[in-house]
Amino acid sequence: AQRVTQPEKLLSVFKGAPVELKCNYSYSGSPELFWYVQYSRQRLQLLLRHISRESIKGFTADLNKGETSFHLKKPFAQEEDSAMYYCALSGRNTGFQKLVFGTGTRLLVSP
Amino acid sequence: ETGVTQSPTHLIKTRGQQVTLRCSSQSGHNTVSWYQQALGQGPQFIFQYYREEENGRGNFPPRFSGLQFPNYSSELNVNALELDDSALYLCASSLGGARDTEAFFGQGTRLTVV
Repeated sequence: AQRVTQPEKLLSVFKGAPVELKCNYSYSGSPELFWYVQYSRQRLQLLLRHISRESIKGFTADLNKGETSFHLKKPFAQEEDSAMYYCALSGRNTGFQKLVFGTGTRLLVSP
Repeated sequence: ETGVTQSPTHLIKTRGQQVTLRCSSQSGHNTVSWYQQALGQGPQFIFQYYREEENGRGNFPPRFSGLQFPNYSSELNVNALELDDSALYLCASSLGGARDTEAFFGQGTRLTVV
């Protein structure tokens, strides 16, 4: 079964502090992993995907197959990072993209 | 380039009724996926349409059905509404349905079943 777990519903940090949003997944094959973000009153949008191996808005995420994790990290949080973050996977065994989302983590960055 | 648009934004229906939700995909996109997001949960995959054919389906009963039109816009139909169908319904479009494709989401339709 495909499953994504985000253990924290809320993560509250101060501006300038490091941030790590946790994501663990369950999948028997090699999944595609994504982080989607939803800022206040905006639509859900892609933040980054593991296949791209890129840093977006200072965020990075490394796929750890041994620990089945895809944690999202940023060394210095900014107030504008406050948003809802969803980790998602898409299994390779299907012929189409079926995104399986976690329940999301709300990041609150205080001044 | 226009983004994904969904209509209506809000809807209230009575249990047992039928509802149709609409989605216009982003310009150039030929694939539309629908997701249901219950309060406090992440989006759950309902189904995907690629070039007017259903391309994949999640664990939703047959009373959830859809259509994709030649212009790649799409409809989600739900028959015999139940209280648990109350949720935010999201439409996402993409160019092709490959597993690593970026999905572009609409703002959603908030459905309340009373």
